[in-house]
Amino acid sequence: DAKTTQPNSMESNEEEPVHLPCNHSTISGTDYIHWYRQLPSQGPEYVIHGLTSNVNNRMASLAIAEDRKSSTLILHRATLRDAAVYYCILRDSVDSGGSNYKLTFGKGTLLTVNP
Amino acid sequence: NAGVMQNPRHLVRRRGQEARLRCSPMKGHSHVYWYRQLPEEGLKFMVYLQKENIIDESGMPKERFSAEFPKEGPSILRIQQVVRGDSAAYFCASSPGGVSSYNEQFFGPGTRLTVL
Repeated sequence: DAKTTQPNSMESNEEEPVHLPCNHSTISGTDYIHWYRQLPSQGPEYVIHGLTSNVNNRMASLAIAEDRKSSTLILHRATLRDAAVYYCILRDSVDSGGSNYKLTFGKGTLLTVNP
Repeated sequence: NAGVMQNPRHLVRRRGQEARLRCSPMKGHSHVYWYRQLPEEGLKFMVYLQKENIIDESGMPKERFSAEFPKEGPSILRIQQVVRGDSAAYFCASSPGGVSSYNEQFFGPGTRLTVL
């Protein structure tokens, strides 16, 4: 899987927007960008994914650069419950007998939300 | 619809004992994945199973570790003769099926194994 780079940690205040960056300069044309997050003492949970266009869902928005070499996860109004480790993961959409079902987790970004 | 269930949530074993970790996927899901998370690290893929089949076990240690997903019942991750280095959180995830980047994986709460 192509590699992603994220800051080790970020801090935000409650009810303010948070922009979590991810660099993936070696992304291939068939890689989808997925975000998962892991709350303390819990298993990871899916947040959002996208390919080329910006995406919105009830949890967050995903802004993807035009060249796809970077993306940003946007939490519009951070709450204390959003404090977690956020993982940016690339997954190949092509099943060429490969292993695109695997999620390759890096160290992610630890988001701290201040009250 | 109940989520992915794992038990036990916490497991303590002495060196040399066996550990059995169970995972019940979400209803309707036929694909199960096991991941291991060592302290202060990200999750590492271990094995991918479908009912009665191991699809990919490339992340499993060569010895002492095995996994199964029988036709009936939960998926089992078995660790024989545990050592202190096996202490970790073990997460199970499930998906509806089909190898697609659209398929999100739904994770269980994990089993935290401590080897004394």
